[in-house]
Amino acid sequence: AQSVTQLDSQVPVFEEAPVELRCNYSSSVSVYLFWYVQYPNQGLQLLLKYLSGSTLVESINGFEAEFNKSQTSFHLRKPSVHISDTAEYFCAVREVLSGNTPLVFGKGTRLSVIA
Amino acid sequence: KAGVTQTPRYLIKTRGQQVTLSCSPISGHRSVSWYQQTPGQGLQFLFEYFSETQRNKGNFPGRFSGRQFSNSRSEMNVSTLELGDSALYLCASSLVGTLNTGELFFGEGSRLTVL
Repeated sequence: AQSVTQLDSQVPVFEEAPVELRCNYSSSVSVYLFWYVQYPNQGLQLLLKYLSGSTLVESINGFEAEFNKSQTSFHLRKPSVHISDTAEYFCAVREVLSGNTPLVFGKGTRLSVIA
Repeated sequence: KAGVTQTPRYLIKTRGQQVTLSCSPISGHRSVSWYQQTPGQGLQFLFEYFSETQRNKGNFPGRFSGRQFSNSRSEMNVSTLELGDSALYLCASSLVGTLNTGELFFGEGSRLTVL
């Protein structure tokens, strides 16, 4: 069965600095990968996803993530963060061709952007 | 297009009581999943319903149950509440089909406090 590990539970970073949130997954088959973001007192919103093709995927607000099959990673990066990026970020995985198994989430990384 | 709607948003119960939470999925989405979110455990999968049938179930005791109606709306019920059931309960809907990637669309959640 697939699993997800988010290596950092909290990441503080100064405004306009770069950030990387790490995600590793475990699966013996091909996977779909997702990053979700949760702002305070809200549900989760899809930030970006890797399904197939180019291993670098981007979101509309400047985040990007790169699928690395050999390292089984899907790290999330942003070159310059803003105060409004303060939120909790969840990495999730689902095995391709697994029928209808549920999406499996990591435990989340709380990003705090400091002015 | 309206998003996923969960009611109530907040509720307080006492130990031993029961609670019912409601979820209306995005129009056209036939799959509804429920997750429990707590600070220590992150997002844990409860169950998924599709076409009024439970398709997947997580590792929760029988006190947690759910159902789905013909219009795809879903409810979950927790009986004999315990203090540890205090959590944010998230509902998510998704499209189902041959190109199903497992992408979920979340509601804002129902925050349950058990005293």
